[in-house]
Amino acid sequence: AQTVTQSQPEMSVQEAETVTLSCTYDTSESDYYLFWYKQPPSRQMILVIRQEAYKQQNATENRFSVNFQKAAKSFSLKISDSQLGDAAMYFCAYRRVDSGYALNFGKGTSLLVTP
Amino acid sequence: ETGVTQTPRHLVMGMTNKKSLKCEQHLGHNAMYWYKQSAKKPLELMFVYSLEERVENNSVPSRFSPECPNSSHLFLHLHTLQPEDSALYLCASSQGGRSNIQYFGAGTRLSVL
Repeated sequence: AQTVTQSQPEMSVQEAETVTLSCTYDTSESDYYLFWYKQPPSRQMILVIRQEAYKQQNATENRFSVNFQKAAKSFSLKISDSQLGDAAMYFCAYRRVDSGYALNFGKGTSLLVTP
Repeated sequence: ETGVTQTPRHLVMGMTNKKSLKCEQHLGHNAMYWYKQSAKKPLELMFVYSLEERVENNSVPSRFSPECPNSSHLFLHLHTLQPEDSALYLCASSQGGRSNIQYFGAGTRLSVL
């Protein structure tokens, strides 16, 4: 079974600064997707960014970007120019392309943004 | 504004009660999911329905009974629950396909007394 590890239970960043959240995963597959989801206090899980394993170029969505290291099985999320609204739980998730539907989640990182 | 709506937002029930959680998606998706989110644990996939057929059932106790009457609605029927079943229950939907991005509702916070 694939496992997803987020080694930072909590992180803190000041407004306007940059923070990087770590994620590693274990798989023997070559075709898969990786995701970062954000869960604010409202509880709704929101997709932040996704990365297809076959694409070498790192995905970017506005202030959010990833550092995808396929050989190292690492998928970190960088948040630039942090805003108060970025405070939330962040979950890394993995999905095999040919396995149907299952998303494997990490335990999450709680991000605190201070003024 | 969310494309996936869950009701109720909060639910308190006794161990002998019967209740149901409801999920509705307005995204035109063909797959729906139930997840359980407990403190300090990764999200656990419980059930998956694709085109109204159950395609995954991850060893969930029979006191949880899903129902998918159509592609837009998903229910989770609860009976004789245990206190350890207290958790946030999240519903998601997706269109399938290669990336199969799942979109989530805001969840039902369930407390079993």
